[in-house]
Amino acid sequence: AQSVSQHNHHVILSEAASLELGCNYSYGGTVNLFWYVQYPGQHLQLLLKYFSGDPLVKGIKGFEAEFIKSKFSFNLRKPSVQWSDTAEYFCAVNDGGGYNKLIFGAGTRLAVHP
Amino acid sequence: GAVVSQHPSRVICKSGTSVKIECRSLDFQATTMFWYRQFPKKSLMLMATSNEGSKATYEQGVEKDKFLINHASLTLSTLTVTSAHPEDSSFYICSAIYRGGIVNEAFFGQGTRLTVV
Repeated sequence: AQSVSQHNHHVILSEAASLELGCNYSYGGTVNLFWYVQYPGQHLQLLLKYFSGDPLVKGIKGFEAEFIKSKFSFNLRKPSVQWSDTAEYFCAVNDGGGYNKLIFGAGTRLAVHP
Repeated sequence: GAVVSQHPSRVICKSGTSVKIECRSLDFQATTMFWYRQFPKKSLMLMATSNEGSKATYEQGVEKDKFLINHASLTLSTLTVTSAHPEDSSFYICSAIYRGGIVNEAFFGQGTRLTVV
């Protein structure tokens, strides 16, 4: 069965610091990878996705993620965080069927201090 | 983007009663919806896949008689927690698949916090 592991459960940063959130998945076949963000009191929103092609994908709000197949990883990065990035971030994977059955990681709660 | 609305956002019920949660796709038709459950400080756990016009597909370990899912139309799926108990207290989230454009995309409802007392 597929699983997704997010290493950091809680991250605290100051504004302008760089961010990297780890995500590893276990599945040997073709995968589609996603990062979602949930701002306080709001819906889950898609930050970025990887289906195929360039393993470095850029998403909204200055986020990017790199798919490294050999490491089964899809880490999320942002060079300079803002207070408004305070949210919970979820990595998710499905088995190549498009946006269908998603398996989520446990989530990382990011707090950015001004 | 497409909008998915969940209702209610928060509900408190007595132990032994049933609670219905609605998930609507407001501006698109969704033949497939998913129901997730989120425990405190834990991930979203997929409970079931809701298919319009057919029976839901439940994940292993999820009691189908406990969590009744009905996808009666292309814009509405309901989750009914029957004979709720305190251990059913949780955050329930639905998502609907928008099959438009080049790729499909999942849009999520705002979630329903269920508290059983």
